Amino acid sequence: NAGVTQTPKFQVLKTGQSMTLQCAQDMNHEYMSWYRQDPGMGLRLIHYSVGAGITDQGEVPNGYNVSRSTTEDFPLRLLSAAPSQTSVYFCASTQTGMAKNIQYFGAGTRLSVL
Amino acid sequence: GENVEQHPSTLSVQEGDSAVIKCTYSDSASNYFPWYKQELGKRPQLIIDIRSNVGEKKDQRIAVTLNKTAKHFSLHITETQPEDSAVYFCAASIAGTNYGGSQGNLIFGKGTKLSVKP
Repeated sequence: NAGVTQTPKFQVLKTGQSMTLQCAQDMNHEYMSWYRQDPGMGLRLIHYSVGAGITDQGEVPNGYNVSRSTTEDFPLRLLSAAPSQTSVYFCASTQTGMAKNIQYFGAGTRLSVL
Repeated sequence: GENVEQHPSTLSVQEGDSAVIKCTYSDSASNYFPWYKQELGKRPQLIIDIRSNVGEKKDQRIAVTLNKTAKHFSLHITETQPEDSAVYFCAASIAGTNYGGSQGNLIFGKGTKLSVKP
């Protein structure tokens, strides 16, 4: 059972380049989300999805796109990278029910935009 | 929307001492409050959680307390050890069987860096 798998682990981009951060989960969770983590800022929600075909914006969605074609996959796209997007990105998959929302995080992607 | 404040941002204790981290939340509808531990370079991992129908929960050396009236909850670590050194995040969420929409969102505090000195 792999849990939440994120690729790549590290990435360096030049300003204006595009890329997709991949995220896959094998726990059959409906809810998935993307966070960015910056020093002193905690974990900020970028986008989330409550199921295949349904996505919505979180706290800091500008500059990012997402799609959810299957339950397993939830990729995050940067269309035109900016230095302000230098951060560590975490994908999470949430086990809901039993009056709990237990999030399982991927290992993270460390992104630098030059 | 929900806002979670966490204090202190850094905390240094001697091995064996206790550590307390406090969080407040703004949305009275929030009913689920987890705590995550993130070691350097690693992913956040759930260490303990509490639901709003419970005032206190313990798991060995860690405990969480919740005051719904005051909208605050705290993490208590007793007999701290060097391996407790990490960043700790509190979060608030609305959880329930009729799950839908943004109810799955966890809103995180900004984190507390705990250092335990041997």
